Amino acid sequence: DTGVSQDPRHKITKRGQNVTFRCDPISEHNRLYWYRQTLGQGPEFLTYFQNEAQLEKSRLLSDRFSAERPKGSFSTLEIQRTEQGDSAMYLCASSLGELSSPLHFGNGTRLTVT
Amino acid sequence: GESVGLHLPTLSVQEGDNSIINCAYSNSASDYFIWYKQESGKGPQFIIDIRSNMDKRQGQRVTVLLNKTVKHLSLQIAATQPGDSAVYFCAENPRGKLIFGQGTELSVKP
Repeated sequence: DTGVSQDPRHKITKRGQNVTFRCDPISEHNRLYWYRQTLGQGPEFLTYFQNEAQLEKSRLLSDRFSAERPKGSFSTLEIQRTEQGDSAMYLCASSLGELSSPLHFGNGTRLTVT
Repeated sequence: GESVGLHLPTLSVQEGDNSIINCAYSNSASDYFIWYKQESGKGPQFIIDIRSNMDKRQGQRVTVLLNKTVKHLSLQIAATQPGDSAVYFCAENPRGKLIFGQGTELSVKP
């Protein structure tokens, strides 16, 4: 499978704990995106990278959230001191980065904060 | 703020009928639009896209129509099948990232 891969698929954590998710994009894609999706809603943009550079962060991304893409390949999204409101599906996507290039999504990491 | 929205949250059609899912967008700077299909427990799956210099694009059983005058986008699915049951999102790309609407849930009755 050469699509976008996310790990883990599911994560249950207690409030206050830190969690980290990993995304492996399609290999030739230089752009990588993180989105968050809650039940019944469309995905909400969090941040994106062009190679290793983080180009934009949403206001949704509080200081408890940090994303990295150190070598321009895989990316990690860390949430510190998780809150119940962080419970959601976290989606990663990648694209070629051209102006009219579709995003290809992984199947997400579902986070449940108890 | 500016957003992409959908007219109907749910749509129920008979197997074999054609489906039309509508979307309104408000960002006049958007020059690229995509339709995604999302099944339960999976990420959004690319269906078809269209650039703002086009008003129609066809794929396999799907057609996207773009009306820039009224900022309206639609997805037509021909001969709808049970496997088409899912939530459909339109998304616009005004500045390098995608902005999604709320989605329409398509239910296909056998």
